[in-house]
Amino acid sequence: AQSVTQLGSHVSVSEGALVLLRCNYSSSVPPYLFWYVQYPNQGLQLLLKYTSAATLVKGINGFEAEFKKSETSFHLTKPSAHMSDAAEYFCAVSVPLANTGNQFYFGTGTSLTVIP
Amino acid sequence: NAGVTQTPKFQVLKTGQSMTLQCAQDMNHEYMSWYRQDPGMGLRLIHYSVGAGITDQGEVPNGYNVSRSTTEDFPLRLLSAAPSQTSVYFCASSPRDRGYGEQYFGPGTRLTVT
Repeated sequence: AQSVTQLGSHVSVSEGALVLLRCNYSSSVPPYLFWYVQYPNQGLQLLLKYTSAATLVKGINGFEAEFKKSETSFHLTKPSAHMSDAAEYFCAVSVPLANTGNQFYFGTGTSLTVIP
Repeated sequence: NAGVTQTPKFQVLKTGQSMTLQCAQDMNHEYMSWYRQDPGMGLRLIHYSVGAGITDQGEVPNGYNVSRSTTEDFPLRLLSAAPSQTSVYFCASSPRDRGYGEQYFGPGTRLTVT
């Protein structure tokens, strides 16, 4: 069975501080992993993705994530938070279906607040 | 490209009414899906389609119907609206041949059932 767990439904950081959003996954097959960001009243947009190439993945807006197979984790980080980073962040795992594409499983999301 | 479009953006229904949420994409993606987003529950898959004429149920399909007559369109029908269907609905699409299933999302439809 596939699942995604995001630790901490709400995270607050000060502007300029490190952002760390945690994601652990469970997958019976090698997964593809994603982080999406959702700004208020908008749809989800892709931040970054892991597709079995480099384990350290760089995304947009200065975010990056590291795939650690031994820990089944894919935590999202950014060295210095900006006010514009305040949003909801979703971790997701994509698992191939036989002959029919991929099935996505989303975490429950982490709301990031940036304190000025 | 417009990407994934959804209409309407907002809708209020009375219990028992039916309606169709529209979703269209112009990227020639084979795979399309519908999610609902509720506070604290993330996104839950309602129905998905791997190509025209092929649909399947996701995690929470009860009370919803879908059809896929063309590659571009994937409407979601609420048969008899209930307050439990108050939610934000997102449509997404992805190309099947890419292998890792990156999904592109529409802007969402905010539905309230009274």
